[in-house]
Amino acid sequence: GAGVSQSPSNKVTEKGKDVELRCDPISGHTALYWYRQRLGQGLEFLIYFQGNSAPDKSGLPSDRFSAERTGESVSTLTIQRTQQEDSAVYLCASSLVSPRSTDTQYFGPGTRLTVL
Amino acid sequence: KQEVTQIPAALSVPEGENLVLNCSFTDSAIYNLQWFRQDPGKGLTSLLLIQSSQREQTSGRLNASLDKSSGRSTLYIAASQPGDSATYLCAVGRGSTLGRLYFGRGTQLTVWP
Repeated sequence: GAGVSQSPSNKVTEKGKDVELRCDPISGHTALYWYRQRLGQGLEFLIYFQGNSAPDKSGLPSDRFSAERTGESVSTLTIQRTQQEDSAVYLCASSLVSPRSTDTQYFGPGTRLTVL
Repeated sequence: KQEVTQIPAALSVPEGENLVLNCSFTDSAIYNLQWFRQDPGKGLTSLLLIQSSQREQTSGRLNASLDKSSGRSTLYIAASQPGDSATYLCAVGRGSTLGRLYFGRGTQLTVWP
């Protein structure tokens, strides 16, 4: 597609349930990032995938959070046993990482997660 | 740890004014700096990206400067318009293969007619 897409756009869930958020990056982009933005806060880095390298998981807040990426395409962020503090907008971004690229990160519209 | 600060947190100006948004960062070992715009309920739109070897970038009415040694960047918006109303985010990157961006909390700009 023309841009980064995310689904669902909105997700309301009950505390304790598991949720899966999906990101489709721009075709050909080797790098994919997940961030979250809690109300009134800045963007927090969660995880970064680059090609076949081991992902940088240093931003994941707890072991309830995990993410996978299939090759250089779709990524899924999974939150297990959701808590109210997980409520946030989850943003995905992708970029073309090469010596000739500008490394601009292109963001999707986000998934707004509300945990009741 | 890299920390990014944006001042002011909010700004309200009449249409037509020239304005400056400020961004500072604590670790000068950056790879690039990016300015984004965020509209309510929407994702981020990249406005300008400055590589660490550059001093400034321009796009239309926008001009961003970078002083890496002092850890500062400014975004200059000329002849502001109501359509410029949004939150402006500054983010710094450590390296092309190191991935993550460090974001400031943003400046919420309102331009009234």
